[in-house]
Amino acid sequence: EDQVTQSPEALRLQEGESSSLNCSYTVSGLRGLFWYRQDPGKGPEFLFTLYSAGEEKEKERLKATLTKKESFLHITAPKPEDSATYLCAVQARKAGTALIFGKGTTLSVSS
Amino acid sequence: DSGVTQTPKHLITATGQRVTLRCSPRSGDLSVYWYQQSLDQGLQFLIQYYNGEERAKGNILERFSAQQFPDLHSELNLSSLELGDSALYFCASSVVVTVNTGELFFGEGSRLTVL
Repeated sequence: EDQVTQSPEALRLQEGESSSLNCSYTVSGLRGLFWYRQDPGKGPEFLFTLYSAGEEKEKERLKATLTKKESFLHITAPKPEDSATYLCAVQARKAGTALIFGKGTTLSVSS
Repeated sequence: DSGVTQTPKHLITATGQRVTLRCSPRSGDLSVYWYQQSLDQGLQFLIQYYNGEERAKGNILERFSAQQFPDLHSELNLSSLELGDSALYFCASSVVVTVNTGELFFGEGSRLTVL
């Protein structure tokens, strides 16, 4: 069964304290892995797409990396405005167009 | 603002009732997706429509149905509601039928509470 597991469930950081979020996946043929950000009361907002192991994408203080079994979202020198829930999703070849989401990591950054 | 509009934002109803959630996709987007988000299950894919036709089905209950109209807006109908149906229902859209880039544009959701 295709599955996405994110850890930790919650993460508290001080402003400027870098860390990483993990997304482990089991999928029969990976079409792509995606990261989204979700603010409270809002819909998820697309961040990155990764297609193959070794690929990296960056956006401001965020960098996403991909291996054959997991992806990491590295947050460098976070700011309070980075506080949100970060969702990982995979698209499996056999599932067609559906994205399978993990339950997310809720990040809180305090000043 | 993603450009995807969902109504109503909040809905409170009783068990056994029927409700309709509405979604207007971004201008030009032909694909509409419905997702259910609950605290314990996360985001679960329900169903996808492309240009009026059903394209993919996820774990959608038989009590739930959806359709996409000629003007591309979509409705999700939930009937014989149960307490466990309480959740956030998101609509998302994309311009293409297969989301190879993973870039779905989500609305702000409809929060359904079943009492």
